[in-house]
This record gives sequence, C-alpha cells and structure tokens, in this order.
Amino acid sequence: SQQGEEDPQALSIQEGENATMNCSYKTSINNLQWYRQNSGRGLVHLILIRSNEREKHSGRLRVTLDTSKKSSSLLITASRAADTASYFCATVGSYGNKLVFGAGTILRVKS
Amino acid sequence: DTAVSQTPKYLVTQMGNDKSIKCEQNLGHDTMYWYKQDSKKFLKIMFSYNNKELIINETVPNRFSPKSPDKAHLNLHINSLELGDSAVYFCASSLTFGQGAEQYFGPGTRLTVT
Repeated sequence: SQQGEEDPQALSIQEGENATMNCSYKTSINNLQWYRQNSGRGLVHLILIRSNEREKHSGRLRVTLDTSKKSSSLLITASRAADTASYFCATVGSYGNKLVFGAGTILRVKS
Repeated sequence: DTAVSQTPKYLVTQMGNDKSIKCEQNLGHDTMYWYKQDSKKFLKIMFSYNNKELIINETVPNRFSPKSPDKAHLNLHINSLELGDSAVYFCASSLTFGQGAEQYFGPGTRLTVT
C-alpha cells in the first residue's frame, strides 16, 4: 500500500501567497523527498530531508520533518504561476532502498 | 542536453500487441528504474537495475520484461498488451543504489491500449 498520504489533494492560491502541503507516512524512514511534476512532464527532485533532520531550506522551499508524528510539510513562499504543478512526497524506509510515492497534491497558482 | 530520455513519447496500440519503450541516461549513473503512473497520478516502482543487474522486481505481470544492455540504457518490453496497461511509464536514474538517492526522471511515455 502507499507509504505517503498527501494533504490537501488540491490547492488553489493567488500569486504571491504561500502554499503548504503535508505528507504523512506509516513506517520509519531513512529519508523523505519532495518532487514536482509539471503537467505532461517527468518528476523533478526538489529536496531531500533525512530522518535526523527537522528542517531544510532550498530557495523559496522549506521542508519540515516530524518523525514522531510521521509527517512532513513543504512550504513554498511567495508562489508564482510557474509553481503550478503536482507535488509528491516520497519515502525510503529505514531498511528499504526504494522510493515509495504519495498520491500528490495538485497546486494551482493563479496570476 | 537531455539527462534521461525516453522513446516514444506516445504509444497507441491494440490489445494483444507487443511493444517496447526505450530509455537512455547520459548522467553516468549506476542505477535505473521503471515506474508506472496510473490515471490517478499514483506512481509505483516496477523495476530497478544497478550496473545492469536487476535489483528490484515488484509484483509486475511477467508480460513486462526489462532489459539493460549497458548502464546507460534500460528498455521495457511488454507482451500481450491489456487495457489495464494504459498508463504513463517513467524511466529514472540515480547515481547509486543507496538509500533514497535522488532520482532523475525522463519525460514519460504515455501508453494507450485500445
């Protein structure tokens, strides 16, 4: 079964606003990754956070990880129309070696 | 320069046919993957090869057969296509087969079986 569950399924915001997406998972992990998929394209890796990390930043992206709650969030600040895409979290289990993807959040940024 | 490329981009075929999808990466990576993305956008790993050796083989019908002629190429052959095989198939690669190495995805092949 799916490891990651994402929330919300879809999110629509105005340009300039912040977007927050959440991911919950079921088993212990080695790391959690976020990917972006533009319509009709392949996935692009955004950021990786390890199980011993709590927060990570990359440009306008901020990812947090709470292993006690088995959850992560992705914050995109000052969103742009070009951020419109599907965002997926993916986990690697503590004893595993493959990425298991969540169902994704569809983000629409209106200009 | 394209990092991970797939051909064809679109594939429309009839039930019962056999088809192949090709993937090439020019990143010098050791590990390559095939994923299937269904109509609900759920992405699931099918196979993984590390240095031409099969290391992940999920519960996939044996009508699907991957082949890795060298580290830079991973092809997917599908026999006796069924309606349920309609999906987008993504090839990906990573530097190593470590725990959760960052993966680079190709643009996908949209397979439609009629």
